[in-house]
Parts: sequence; C-alpha cells; structure tokens
Amino acid sequence: GQQVMQIPQYQHVQEGEDFTTYCNSSTTLSNIQWYKQRPGGHPVFLIQLVKSGEVKKQKRLTFQFGEAKKNSSLHITATQTTDVGTYFCAGHLFYSGNTPLVFGKGTRLSVIA
Amino acid sequence: DGGITQSPKYLFRKEGQNVTLSCEQNLNHDAMYWYRQDPGQGLRLIYYSQIVNDFQKGDIAEGYSVSREKKESFPLTVTSAQKNPTAFYLCASSMSEGYEQFFGPGTRLTVL
Repeated sequence: GQQVMQIPQYQHVQEGEDFTTYCNSSTTLSNIQWYKQRPGGHPVFLIQLVKSGEVKKQKRLTFQFGEAKKNSSLHITATQTTDVGTYFCAGHLFYSGNTPLVFGKGTRLSVIA
Repeated sequence: DGGITQSPKYLFRKEGQNVTLSCEQNLNHDAMYWYRQDPGQGLRLIYYSQIVNDFQKGDIAEGYSVSREKKESFPLTVTSAQKNPTAFYLCASSMSEGYEQFFGPGTRLTVL
C-alpha cells in the first residue's frame, strides 16, 4: 500500500505567491528524492536529500528533509508560470534493503498569471 | 545523445490483444523500471530490474510481463489479462538502486 503520502493533491496560486508541498512517510526513509513533471511530459529529477535535517536550495526552490527522516518539503518562493507541473517526492524505505523508490501521488501546481 | 527512448509515443490496440512497449537506454545503467501513471494516481511500479537477466514484480505486476536479456533494453508486454490497460506508461533507469532515476518520454496506450 501507499507508504509515502503527499499533500496537497492540488494547489492553485497567483504568480508571485509562494508554494509548499509536503511529503510524509509512515516509516523512516534512507533518502528522499524530488521530481517535477510538466504537463504532457515525463518526471525529471530535481534533487536528493540523505541526511537528517538536510536543507538544500536551487534558486527559488528549497528542499528540506526532516530530523526523523520521515518527512520532507519543497518550497517555491515567488512562483512563476514556468513552475507549473506536478511535483513528486519519492523515498527509499530504510528497513527494506535494496528495493525501489516509493513515490508519493504528487502535488499538481497551477500558477495563474 | 545519451538517454532513454520509448516507442511508440501513442499506441492503440483492440481489447484482447497483447502489446509490447519498447524501452531502450544508452546510459549504461544497471537498473530499469516500468511505471504506470493514471490521472491522480501518481506513479505505480509495475516491474523493475536491477541487473541483466533478473527482474522483480512491483506493486501492480498482474497482467504484465517483462524481460531483461540485454542491459540496455527492458520491454514491457501488456497482456490480455490486464483488465484496464489504458494508461500512460513510463520507463526509467538508474545507475543502480538508490540513485536518481531518468525517465523516458512515455507511451500512451489506449485499448479500444
């Protein structure tokens, strides 16, 4: 069953507003990855976080990995129309050995110009 | 250019027919994956392979089959046993498990 939950499912913002999507796991993760999928496109890797409490920035995007390694967030400052798409988190479950990523269902972001 | 190719981009089949989706990568990656994407469902793992000549079932393997005879190729067959095959199918690869995944452009399958 689904072990990585992502909220919200949809978010509509005015251009220039901030946006945050949250990812929560019922079990400890060894790492968390974030992907972006533009409408009609395929997912593209954005970043990977590995350490407890890690924070990474990419221009207007800020990624955080929780202290307990069970949650993560992606924050976009001052959204632009180019930010439109679905953002997925995906994690490797800590206890599961060499098994594949578990994806959240994604947050679809719409930006109104 | 290095990357993953999937063909065809759009595929139409009649109900009851098996269909094979192609996935090729020239990234020299060991691991390859097949996902199914339905609206609002995110990415669901069908099958994955961490090394040539070996593969494992994912969360929704029923009605699908795969092979991994070559490192660069991981074809997916959607069989007539798959009850609702119309979906967007994405293939991905990674250097090995734990690394970032690179996705192909996807195949949109419609079963009439």
